[in-house]
Amino acid sequence: AQKITQTQPGMFVQEKEAVTLDCTYDTSDPSYGLFWYKQPSSGEMIFLIYQGSYDQQNATEGRYSLNFQKARKSANLVISASQLGDSAMYFCAMFESTGFQKLVFGTGTRLLVSP
Amino acid sequence: GAGVSQSPRYKVAKRGQDVALRCDPISGHVSLFWYQQALGQGPEFLTYFQNEAQLDKSGLPSDRFFAERPEGSVSTLKIQRTQQEDSAVYLCASSPAESLQREKLFFGSGTQLSVL
Repeated sequence: AQKITQTQPGMFVQEKEAVTLDCTYDTSDPSYGLFWYKQPSSGEMIFLIYQGSYDQQNATEGRYSLNFQKARKSANLVISASQLGDSAMYFCAMFESTGFQKLVFGTGTRLLVSP
Repeated sequence: GAGVSQSPRYKVAKRGQDVALRCDPISGHVSLFWYQQALGQGPEFLTYFQNEAQLDKSGLPSDRFFAERPEGSVSTLKIQRTQQEDSAVYLCASSPAESLQREKLFFGSGTQLSVL
């Protein structure tokens, strides 16, 4: 069963606007963590934001915020005030506290920011 | 170095050839991961080291794939008798912690392997 689902292969947004990238997940573990990574054309995965399953508040990191809806098993990334440099692939990933130490990634969403 | 370093950046191999991909993690990082990323896909877990111990190799696709980290720092991913389906970007990542709970991974830029 797919653990992480990203249903948007591509998204377009105009510079300075906000955009939401969707992520749903599947787990029976009550303790887990959700990550978002950005992958520009250079190939390196860059950490953006983290949300723990027991965190009371939605995570925020600068222009990035995570809309965490635990009952719906969704962890959508919101990028405010998009910049041209935000154009990249974005991956949602999950860590489960039981089992093996690894991040499981979704298939990604390609974001294109236009001037 | 300041970040995770991988070499070579690009590797072209003939089918059947053996290849070795190197990863230099951030100094002092305990955990090291290898991922395989096919074109247009997300990274897929291959294997995990905690210091020199390979604790999880469940993601290695076949016995042609072998990874080692003998001194708990540099790691090498070796692929024997390469096949076309091995063509992908191989990403290495490291973390200072033993647990990924609340800990981000630091990734290298990857090695792009093309098997002809």
